[in-house]
Amino acid sequence: ELKVEQNPLFLSMQEGKNYTIYCNYSTTSDRLYWYRQDPGKSLESLFVLLSNGAVKQEGRLMASLDTKARLSTLHITAAVHDLSATYFCAVDRSNSGGSNYKLTFGKGTLLTVNP
Amino acid sequence: DVKVTQSSRYLVKRTGEKVFLECVQDMDHENMFWYRQDPGLGLRLIYFSYDVKMKEKGDIPEGYSVSREKKERFSLILESASTNQTSMYLCASTHSSSGNTIYFGEGSWLTVV
Repeated sequence: ELKVEQNPLFLSMQEGKNYTIYCNYSTTSDRLYWYRQDPGKSLESLFVLLSNGAVKQEGRLMASLDTKARLSTLHITAAVHDLSATYFCAVDRSNSGGSNYKLTFGKGTLLTVNP
Repeated sequence: DVKVTQSSRYLVKRTGEKVFLECVQDMDHENMFWYRQDPGLGLRLIYFSYDVKMKEKGDIPEGYSVSREKKERFSLILESASTNQTSMYLCASTHSSSGNTIYFGEGSWLTVV
């Protein structure tokens, strides 16, 4: 059974600082998704990582995937208050080269960026 | 823009009632999913469908059923609502093509009293 662990679960940081959220998973997969969720809202897609070594960047966020280590990171650069939200990683359960789009989610990281 | 619409955003139902949660997507996606989200438990997969009239159980299907009579619509049914089904329900959809984003609806907050 695929297990997905995110850490930290809670992150309070100051504006301007850098930090990394980690997402470890327990079985082979080469597809990983990052989502953002604001309070009371749905999930907004941030990144889709499809292969070992994939790196994607959007603004102050950069995500990477190491399928051999079964690890993805979400790096925050020079945080701003608007980045305050809960961030989820989700791993595709398929390990056969295709995708079944069934996701196992981490528990989420609640990020608070303080002025 | 892809739109996944959950028409009922907030519902309050009584124990034992039958509850329908509707989800409609406008991008001709083959694949549709229902998740529930609970504090401390994250998102869990209830049911999914890869095509019209097709459905498969996810991780927590007990107490739920689904219907997919048309490609754009995927309904979640609580045959007899119970208090432990109080939750936020999220519908998702995606196209069957490698690398596609999986889009989520706005969510339906269900309270069973």
